[in-house]
Amino acid sequence: SQTIHQWPATLVQPVGSPLSLECTVEGTSNPNLYWYRQAAGRGLQLLFYSVGIGQISSEVPQNLSASRPQDRQFILSSKKLLLSDSGFYLCAWSTLRATGSYNEQFFGPGTRLTVL
Amino acid sequence: KQEVTQIPAALSVPEGENLVLNCSFTDSAIYNLQWFRQDPGKGLTSLLLIQSSQREQTSGRLNASLDKSSGRSTLYIAASQPGDSATYLCAVSKVGSGNTGKLIFGQGTTLQVKP
Repeated sequence: SQTIHQWPATLVQPVGSPLSLECTVEGTSNPNLYWYRQAAGRGLQLLFYSVGIGQISSEVPQNLSASRPQDRQFILSSKKLLLSDSGFYLCAWSTLRATGSYNEQFFGPGTRLTVL
Repeated sequence: KQEVTQIPAALSVPEGENLVLNCSFTDSAIYNLQWFRQDPGKGLTSLLLIQSSQREQTSGRLNASLDKSSGRSTLYIAASQPGDSATYLCAVSKVGSGNTGKLIFGQGTTLQVKP
């Protein structure tokens, strides 16, 4: 069966510090991977998605970057955190159907980031 | 631009009641629609996925319907229980998004089922 891991679960960082959040998926190959942010009262916002190793697309201009060094590993980074980077970060994966549509998207447990 | 709306934003019902959550989307050109549940401080749990060619999907006490032409989906919960209390989110995957599988989410409906 497939599982998705995120760590750390919670993180408190000072403004200007670097960030690295990691997401790994088990039990599937060549998934599409996604990073979302959920800020209080603002719903889920797609930040990055990846359709393959080294292939990253950004959805919104921001202080963050993403990388996919391995097929089932997705990393969210920042060189210098801002207060506005606080939020709940969720990683997700899905796979492409032969019909061109997508199977379900599955989410990880999330990382709660507080920037002080 | 695809927009997804969920009404109501919050709902409180007594235990045992049947209830319907609503989701509407502005562009009917979708690949699929997915319903999720989110408990406070947790990730999203997938409940049901409806492909664009389908009209409904069922899982236990849950039934989701899709009317693509009118841009609407409903999630029906039968015999609600306190454990059903959570935020319910719907999301659509839009045609024209290539091989990305990107989802566009509604703001969610927060459900409270009172014992």
